[in-house]
Amino acid sequence: DIRLTQSPSSLSASLRDRVTITCRASQSVDSHLSWYQVKSGKAPKLLIYSASNLQSGVPARFSGSGSGTDFTLTIATLEPEDFATYYCQQSDTIPWTFGPGTKVEIK
Amino acid sequence: QVQLQESGPGLVKPSQTLSLTCTVSGVSMGSSDSTGYYWSWIRQHPGKGLEWIGYIYYGGTTKYNPSLKGRVTISVDTSKNQFSLRLTSVTAADTAVYYCAKGGATVTPDWGQGTLVTVSS
Repeated sequence: DIRLTQSPSSLSASLRDRVTITCRASQSVDSHLSWYQVKSGKAPKLLIYSASNLQSGVPARFSGSGSGTDFTLTIATLEPEDFATYYCQQSDTIPWTFGPGTKVEIK
Repeated sequence: QVQLQESGPGLVKPSQTLSLTCTVSGVSMGSSDSTGYYWSWIRQHPGKGLEWIGYIYYGGTTKYNPSLKGRVTISVDTSKNQFSLRLTSVTAADTAVYYCAKGGATVTPDWGQGTLVTVSS
């Protein structure tokens, strides 16, 4: 299985801060990497697909980059609704796998 | 706009079979427009990360997570616009929030809100 690691595992940030989360794969996943936002009791929300494509309806403050094994999710200016847990997921190889998550908390 | 809703028992006894259904609205699962869709199940153990269980796509082709060791079956009922998950021989380790989702070969944009299934006697 392809193992995904995320860093940091958690972070504290203030409103309007710039936040960067990284995801590293144990082998190349090409650009088959997505980012999700998960809040308790809600459906996970797709933010970024194919490493850098913004899902329709997602605010432009979210962006993704990378290919191969190293990927980044950036939130340009943190808004109140952005406090959540973020997961990367690879869909290059079965079984699809997820990273362990990064919890973004209010400082 | 597509919507997905999971349903099924919230409590299952150890060694029994977990059965969940996902009801899909906003898209006809049996239509020619749906041939490219992948219908997935994903779960999240309490306080833990997400785990992909498997998917089914047009023609009934399925892919499962080998970690579930042959205990899982995903099927589709296009007449009811539903797809289902069966997980046999459950243990406490199968306690989780189960999500159904719709997507393509490499992206899964549409998810249900999830349903908690507890395995306990």
